[in-house]
Amino acid sequence: SAVISQKPSRDICQRGTSLTIQCQVDSQVTMMFWYRQQPGQSLTLIATANQGSEATYESGFVIDKFPISRPNLTFSTLTVSNMSPEDSSIYLCSVDVGRSTDTQYFGPGTRLTVL
Amino acid sequence: TQLLEQSPQFLSIQEGENLTVYCNSSSVFSSLQWYRQEPGEGPVLLVTVVTGGEVKKLKRLTFQFGDARKDSSLHITAAQPGDTGLYLCAGAPLGDYKLSFGAGTTVTVRA
Repeated sequence: SAVISQKPSRDICQRGTSLTIQCQVDSQVTMMFWYRQQPGQSLTLIATANQGSEATYESGFVIDKFPISRPNLTFSTLTVSNMSPEDSSIYLCSVDVGRSTDTQYFGPGTRLTVL
Repeated sequence: TQLLEQSPQFLSIQEGENLTVYCNSSSVFSSLQWYRQEPGEGPVLLVTVVTGGEVKKLKRLTFQFGDARKDSSLHITAAQPGDTGLYLCAGAPLGDYKLSFGAGTTVTVRA
């Protein structure tokens, strides 16, 4: 397994501003993922972040809105840019520890409220 | 259309009763995962099932993977209030590494 921490745990932001969310893992992992979970909903994958390459975004998510950094094998950041109330969600990072299954382990999430 | 159809969406039962949550797909998965998520927290992995027909037990929780590796179920025996939470099934179809999630089942166990 893996122990994952996220900062901040929650934030309330004004429309038009940006917030950067940090994800730290206790071991080196190749693949890190960022998800969004809107209120009362399941998880939607935003992008896959691999160290040394550009993040791969899912349909409906773009780099200008959600820039991602992956400077090393234990850390990643997701920025939510030019926020609107529709961006209010829980943002989760996860890791695949690279065993034969596709099991992912999740951080505690960042609860974002945009006013 | 979701790749994984999870049912029911909501379950409210009395302490001591049993419950079953289903996760179905038309796709074949190399493995399926079940997670439980409590309010304000991230999903916590309960189990990964890998082999078709596999049954795994975790105390009062029993997980089953269909023979064709297209479906799975979670059965809780003698539910307790501590079992309350959002249960999510997830899996990556064969040849893919990205997880798809079911819509989730919100389970409430009343004392």
